[in-house]
Amino acid sequence: SQTIHQWPATLVQPVGSPLSLECTVEGTSNPNLYWYRQAAGRGLQLLFYSVGIGQISSEVPQNLSASRPQDRQFILSSKKLLLSDSGFYLCAWSKWQVETQYFGPGTRLLVL
Amino acid sequence: DQQVKQNSPSLSVQEGRISILNCDYTNSMFDYFLWYKKYPAEGPTFLISISSIKDKNEDGRFTVFLNKSAKHLSLHIVPSQPGDSAVYFCAASAVSGAGSYQLTFGKGTKLSVIP
Repeated sequence: SQTIHQWPATLVQPVGSPLSLECTVEGTSNPNLYWYRQAAGRGLQLLFYSVGIGQISSEVPQNLSASRPQDRQFILSSKKLLLSDSGFYLCAWSKWQVETQYFGPGTRLLVL
Repeated sequence: DQQVKQNSPSLSVQEGRISILNCDYTNSMFDYFLWYKKYPAEGPTFLISISSIKDKNEDGRFTVFLNKSAKHLSLHIVPSQPGDSAVYFCAASAVSGAGSYQLTFGKGTKLSVIP
């Protein structure tokens, strides 16, 4: 069966510091990978998605970036965090050409 | 412009009764609709989905109804149980190219099932 991991689970970072969140998927190959953010009281906002190694599509212009160095690894980064980057970050995967996405446990980020 | 709307932020239902969660959408290009359940501080869990060519899909206590002409779908939970208390997200899917589907989510409805 497939599993998706995210770490860390919780992160408190000062404004202006860098960020690296990691997501890995097990039990499947060549998944589509996604990064979402849920701000307080809001729905899920798609940030990035990837259909293959090195292929990243961005949905929202911001100071975040994503990379996919390996088939089942997806990384969300920032060089300098803003207060508005606080939120709950979710990684998800889906099979090629399949609509259903499966989510990881999430990372709660608090920028102070 | 919110393409997927869940107009009820919260809903309270007595245990054993039916819960009905509603969702409206505006984009007629959506071809697949999904419901997710989310507990606090956890990732959403996929519940049930429906293709745009169908009007009903059932899985155990969960049934999703789709009315394409009204651009409306609903999730019915019968009977409701206290463990169903969570936030429910409606999502709609459209092809984004290169074999990927993008999901557009509503803001969620918090369901509370009262024992």
